[in-house]
Formats: sequence, structure tokens, C-alpha cells
Amino acid sequence: EAQVTQNPRYLITVTGKKLTVTCSQNMNHEYMSWYRQDPGLGLRQIYYSMNVEVTDKGDVPEGYKVSRKEKRNFPLILESPSPNQTSLYFCASSSTVYNEQFFGPGTRLTVL
Amino acid sequence: KQEVTQIPAALSVPEGENLVLNCSFTDSAIYNLQWFRQDPGKGLTSLLLIQSSQREQTSGRLNASLDKSSGRSTLYIAASQPGDSATYLCAVRAGGGSNYKLTFGKGTLLTVNP
Repeated sequence: EAQVTQNPRYLITVTGKKLTVTCSQNMNHEYMSWYRQDPGLGLRQIYYSMNVEVTDKGDVPEGYKVSRKEKRNFPLILESPSPNQTSLYFCASSSTVYNEQFFGPGTRLTVL
Repeated sequence: KQEVTQIPAALSVPEGENLVLNCSFTDSAIYNLQWFRQDPGKGLTSLLLIQSSQREQTSGRLNASLDKSSGRSTLYIAASQPGDSATYLCAVRAGGGSNYKLTFGKGTLLTVNP
């Protein structure tokens, strides 16, 4: 089944404890991106990747890192999480930047 | 800066009614526009993608139109069902000059009452 998977789906952590949210797609898509969704603010892009080893900042990159070493994987790294990073995170992919976006199921992160 | 507005923010209709959701955007230099639905606590499901050169797309009971020059798109849902209850989001894709940014509206919360 063609899909975008994210792990973990739910995470509660404490300020400053490094964490990684994984994202994987099995559709051989070139374009991948990360979003966060907050009440009243909607969906905002954190980082995106046009292809392997090509990444760039979105609207709200501060406090996040990404890497794209393989085509299928696009992990989101929070090196020192803070409470303002409590949010619902989505990974998405598409065959190219111009095509239909497919979203993962989301990761609900709480930083205490 | 591209801004995407969806009106109304919430809509409640009886089952069987035909309805229209609206999406407007401020910068008409878009590459495409995509409609999604989001169920509570879930991810986004793609409904329709309209390229900037197209006027409309149809899938089952859904029809999306695009008027790029006026900065508007509509999502028409025919014969609504309770299972259509969800938040509907539109998103516009900018061209290369804007780093292909995807800008989302804040959504319309649709409730279809049995």
C-alpha cells in the first residue's frame, strides 16, 4: 500500500531532551516536507526537500533540523525541544513539487 | 506574501444538501491548488488537485473549480452525507520564484446532519 508513515504517533517529552520524528514514504517520491499544525495558525511548513541531499527552510524552521540521506526517509530532529514546539506534526510527500501531496497520519508532540 | 482565506469557517447542513466551500488567495501567480479533508485528530487526505492551466476537476460527488485571475476556488459537494463531515482545507502552490511554497487556508469545518 502506498503510504507515508510517521513514528512515533504520540510523544510526551521534557524540555531539552533531543528527539527525532521519523518519516518514510514508499512511493519513490522526490519531494518531502514537514508541517506543524496549531490551533488558529493552521498548517505551516517547517522544512522541505526537493530530493536527496537537497533541503531548504520553510516558514518556521527555528529549532528544527532535517536530513535527506535516502529518498524514502526525511526525519525531523528537535535538538533541544521547548514547550512552544508542542504541536501536531505532519510529513508529506509528492512525486515532484508540482504534484499531489500525500500526508502522513501525524505526530502529536507535547513538550513539558 | 500569499494569503489563503476560506469562508465560511464553519458550515452545518442537513443531509442531502448540495453545498459550496470557498477558497480565495491573494497572489494569482500559483502553480496549482489542492483541496484536502481532515478528520479530527487525523492526517490530511487529498481530494482534488487543479493545475493553474485547468478550470476544474471532478471526483465522484466533488467538483473543484479554479479562477486564477480572480484568486478564487470553490469545492462543490453534491448530495452531502454525514460521512462528509470533516474540515476541508485548500492549499495553493507558488511557483519557483517563491520556493514552491505551499500555503494553506485555515479550513472550513463542515457538519452534515442526518
